[in-house]
Amino acid sequence: DQQVKQNSPSLSVQEGRISILNCDYTNSMFDYFLWYKKYPAEGPTFLISISSIKDKNEDGRFTVFLNKSAKHLSLHIVPSQPGDSAVYFCAASGNSGYSTLTFGKGTMLLVSP
Amino acid sequence: EPEVTQTPSHQVTQMGQEVILRCVPISNHLYFYWYRQILGQKVEFLVSFYNNEISEKSEIFDDQFSVERPDGSNFTLKIRSTKLEDSAMYFCASSQQGPYSNQPQHFGDGTRLSIL
Repeated sequence: DQQVKQNSPSLSVQEGRISILNCDYTNSMFDYFLWYKKYPAEGPTFLISISSIKDKNEDGRFTVFLNKSAKHLSLHIVPSQPGDSAVYFCAASGNSGYSTLTFGKGTMLLVSP
Repeated sequence: EPEVTQTPSHQVTQMGQEVILRCVPISNHLYFYWYRQILGQKVEFLVSFYNNEISEKSEIFDDQFSVERPDGSNFTLKIRSTKLEDSAMYFCASSQQGPYSNQPQHFGDGTRLSIL
């Protein structure tokens, strides 16, 4: 059961442009969403999160948007840099027995110079 | 910046042997987790631990798995009798407050477990 879906396994973007990574979820009990970045041979690194009471959260070049009615969130990276090249995981958690993180399969972002 | 550290980085074990994976969570964190990622698949939750007991576990975390906080700093995952399908990357994570508090979990770099 894929409660958190990242339908794009990969994304290629040019340096300086916007990267948009998408994530869909099916469980309406999720109320907290996170994005993690992962380089090879390293663990996931927390990037940014959003609570379900908000529809946008911004931190520097990273902005996460949440559309609860569509059960969709997206991560925008502007401007994209070559060092952003990594696998990006969407994760979700919530109450009522879903307290731990449920991850998507990840999207590999490649930012070319 | 404080980190979650995991040892060893790579463990090779014969099928049927016991293995212990070690983690040192961030020092002021109170909640600890183990996740695993089988090659090519998504990161999956195994178990969460708080106040010296398991707070939640997934169906993956069966009787061959156990966790322990043997002292004030280490958090271990033991697999009693390893199977080929236990081969995966195992990630330890910790958070300052519980999952309901909207505090992010911070991950170690993982232990790659290879069962022969």
